[in-house]
Amino acid sequence: DAGITQSPRHKVTETGTPVTLRCHQTENHRYMYWYRQDPGHGLRLIHYSYGVKDTDKGEVSDGYSVSRSKTEDFLLTLESATSSQTSVYFCAISGGQDSYNEQFFGPGTRLTVL
Amino acid sequence: GENVEQHPSTLSVQEGDSAVIKCTYSDSASNYFPWYKQELGKRPQLIIDIRSNVGEKKDQRIAVTLNKTAKHFSLHITETQPEDSAVYFCAAPEGNAGNMLTFGGGTRLMVKP
Repeated sequence: DAGITQSPRHKVTETGTPVTLRCHQTENHRYMYWYRQDPGHGLRLIHYSYGVKDTDKGEVSDGYSVSRSKTEDFLLTLESATSSQTSVYFCAISGGQDSYNEQFFGPGTRLTVL
Repeated sequence: GENVEQHPSTLSVQEGDSAVIKCTYSDSASNYFPWYKQELGKRPQLIIDIRSNVGEKKDQRIAVTLNKTAKHFSLHITETQPEDSAVYFCAAPEGNAGNMLTFGGGTRLMVKP
């Protein structure tokens, strides 16, 4: 599945704790994205990256930060988790030579904030 | 930014019937329109896409049509099978910023055997 992994796959945490989700790719794709998926809201973009150390906000970026120090890794951090951030988080990549526009998704991380 | 609306939100068909899902977009400069299928508990996966230089594209039982004038594109599934049951998402580019896509809200397709 396009050499993209996410860790952890499941996490339960408490309100107010910091959480970091990791996305790792082996495809050398330029672009990386973090989405959240909630019932009735489809896929909403949180942050994206267009290169190492180049990131920008998406539609629902409040309460989230990201970092990309290497091409292959894109980290999503919830500085102080809230119950409204309970969701399924998907990482995606794009910018491959064969299919530049196509986004490939990771397996997802189910996060529960109690 | 781009606005993508998708209809219907749920669709139930009998096995063997056809299913049609429609999306509208707002940015007339958009030139790439993918469709993703997401099975329960799985990741979204691309099933077909179309670029603005063609009006229709087929791949076995699925096809996508594009009407640039009306700014809408549709997914057509013929001879539906129970394994077609899933949530389908359309998407359109978010301008030229970072290869981003804006997704529709999704359609839950249920194929009854």
